[in-house]
Amino acid sequence: AQSVTQPDIHITVSEGASLELRCNYSYGATPYLFWYVQSPGQGLQLLLKYFSGDTLVQGIKGFEAEFKRSQSSFNLRKPSVHWSDAAEYFCAVGDSGGGADGLTFGKGTHLIIQP
Amino acid sequence: EPEVTQTPSHQVTQMGQEVILRCVPISNHLYFYWYRQILGQKVEFLVSFYNNEISEKSEIFDDQFSVERPDGSNFTLKIRSTKLEDSAMYFCASGGLSYTQYFGPGTRLTVL
Repeated sequence: AQSVTQPDIHITVSEGASLELRCNYSYGATPYLFWYVQSPGQGLQLLLKYFSGDTLVQGIKGFEAEFKRSQSSFNLRKPSVHWSDAAEYFCAVGDSGGGADGLTFGKGTHLIIQP
Repeated sequence: EPEVTQTPSHQVTQMGQEVILRCVPISNHLYFYWYRQILGQKVEFLVSFYNNEISEKSEIFDDQFSVERPDGSNFTLKIRSTKLEDSAMYFCASGGLSYTQYFGPGTRLTVL
């Protein structure tokens, strides 16, 4: 069975500093990988996704993520965070076998931005 | 930009009552999903729906749950006899051929 680990429950970063959120997955084949962001009281917004090809993917709001097969990781990065980035971030893995498969989510990382 | 919408945003019900949560997926999408998120926990997959039938369901999706696409635009989740532990945020999602799932804003279900 597939699984996702987000080892950091909370991360505090100063505004303007760089950010890296960690995600490790367990999956037998090549996974479909996603990062979603959830602001308080809101739904899940897709930040970026990886299906195949270039292992560095760009997303919305200046985020990027790098797929590293050897480390089973898909870490999210941003060079300079803004106060509006404070939110819950979820990494998810999907089955490359078909669109009907449900996603498996990590427990999330709560990002706090210090002024 | 098309969005997934869900109604109501918050539903309060008594234990043992039936509830129906409604979703309007993105119009040209083919796959539809329900997830739930118990407060403070991770998002969990419940069920997926394709071609007018359930494609996949998790262990959580037992006989008290059912899904329906009654009119070609709405997608509903019914919980027949709610329990306290059904209190959660329920998310609907839809996806097209790209296998990317787009989520709605959620319905917060509170069972008293």
